[in-house]
Amino acid sequence: NAGVTQTPKFQVLKTGQSMTLQCAQDMNHNSMYWYRQDPGMGLRLIYYSASEGTTDKGEVPNGYNVSRLNKREFSLRLESAAPSQTSVYFCASSAISGSGTDTQYFGPGTRLTVL
Amino acid sequence: EDQVTQSPEALRLQEGESSSLNCSYTVSGLRGLFWYRQDPGKGPEFLFTLYSAGEEKEKERLKATLTKKESFLHITAPKPEDSATYLCAVRGGSNYKLTFGKGTLLTVNP
Repeated sequence: NAGVTQTPKFQVLKTGQSMTLQCAQDMNHNSMYWYRQDPGMGLRLIYYSASEGTTDKGEVPNGYNVSRLNKREFSLRLESAAPSQTSVYFCASSAISGSGTDTQYFGPGTRLTVL
Repeated sequence: EDQVTQSPEALRLQEGESSSLNCSYTVSGLRGLFWYRQDPGKGPEFLFTLYSAGEEKEKERLKATLTKKESFLHITAPKPEDSATYLCAVRGGSNYKLTFGKGTLLTVNP
């Protein structure tokens, strides 16, 4: 199993450009998550999807949109990129959101720079 | 609001020198405390989940313990390959949200 995969691994954008970060998992997990990680700060939740067909805002959703395409795939879109969105983005998945055994497994990350 | 504080921010050890990392937390109704390891340029790798005070889990040179206010990650006779950032996270009353600490950067010198 590949686990959680993310594309692209690196991306440079100019302010105002748009892009979509892709995430897929092959563990048959129900729940998927998008985080960002910035120097000196912990991982912060952007959006999550508890199950196929549902999405909800996390701690820092402004400037982002998400799509749960199917059970395997969860994408994150930046409509008009800003320098404040320069960060490392991680996708994660878990079997069942909220259960006592709900461990989140992370992908390798996408390193995004907005100039 | 759930909060997680990890200390120290950075720790340098000699190979074989045992030590502990601390994770202090405040949460409304703990539903799980998670430890992850993160190597440079990689995603967090799951290590342990602890659910109740008094619980302990071990994996190779690592042992995680939990009290009502904090968790410790004990590293026994560390090796250079244990060098990484160790992240602690808690899940409180919310169904989905993990609150992460800023991590402890561990460096083990040969």
